Amino acid sequence: GQQLNQSPQSMFIQEGEDVSMNCTSSSIFNTWLWYKQDPGEGPVLLIALYKAGELTSNGRLTAQFGITRKDSFLNISASIPSDVGIYFCAANPGGSARQLTFGSGTQLTVLP
Amino acid sequence: ETGVTQSPTHLIKTRGQQVTLRCSSQSGHNTVSWYQQALGQGPQFIFQYYREEENGRGNFPPRFSGLQFPNYSSELNVNALELDDSALYLCASSLEGGHTEAFFGQGTRLTVV
Repeated sequence: GQQLNQSPQSMFIQEGEDVSMNCTSSSIFNTWLWYKQDPGEGPVLLIALYKAGELTSNGRLTAQFGITRKDSFLNISASIPSDVGIYFCAANPGGSARQLTFGSGTQLTVLP
Repeated sequence: ETGVTQSPTHLIKTRGQQVTLRCSSQSGHNTVSWYQQALGQGPQFIFQYYREEENGRGNFPPRFSGLQFPNYSSELNVNALELDDSALYLCASSLEGGHTEAFFGQGTRLTVV
């Protein structure tokens, strides 16, 4: 089946540093999304991307939908302690943000 | 808070038993999806309901079934529970059509012993 390869699996960074994570696939997806999940909670949507090449920001977060439609990245600038959590990419082959395929997640730890 | 509520929050069942999980969708949302999230993994799509009918299914066996009610709330039923069914089960609600995102509940943690 369709799979999303998300990297890195985990990251340890100092507070104030920038972070970058990405997601790739061998299949084309027409919708890419990035979620954050805290322990004991469901995923929370950070950014949704619907157009190849699209670059979208949400505060300190920036995400891009790759031109090939097979990848996406998420950047977090000037990290803070509350950025700690698991970040997931998710995608759909159509234009829907439902019936999603998820990556395996990036565990982010921010050190003071 | 998303407005999507799931019950119960935690559940322990014995292998071979049946379980029903419940989800109340966010106000105005007519589509409900269910996902299974094993420990250390990303969520996996189980199925989606719209207008009380299943309109999309992932790679899960028939012992995973669901219902959607006229008020758009939903149930996930799993028969003949197996140890590997132990996971966090997530419900997400959305509006059908267009670029509308899904909002997740906090999940039900199912443990099969």
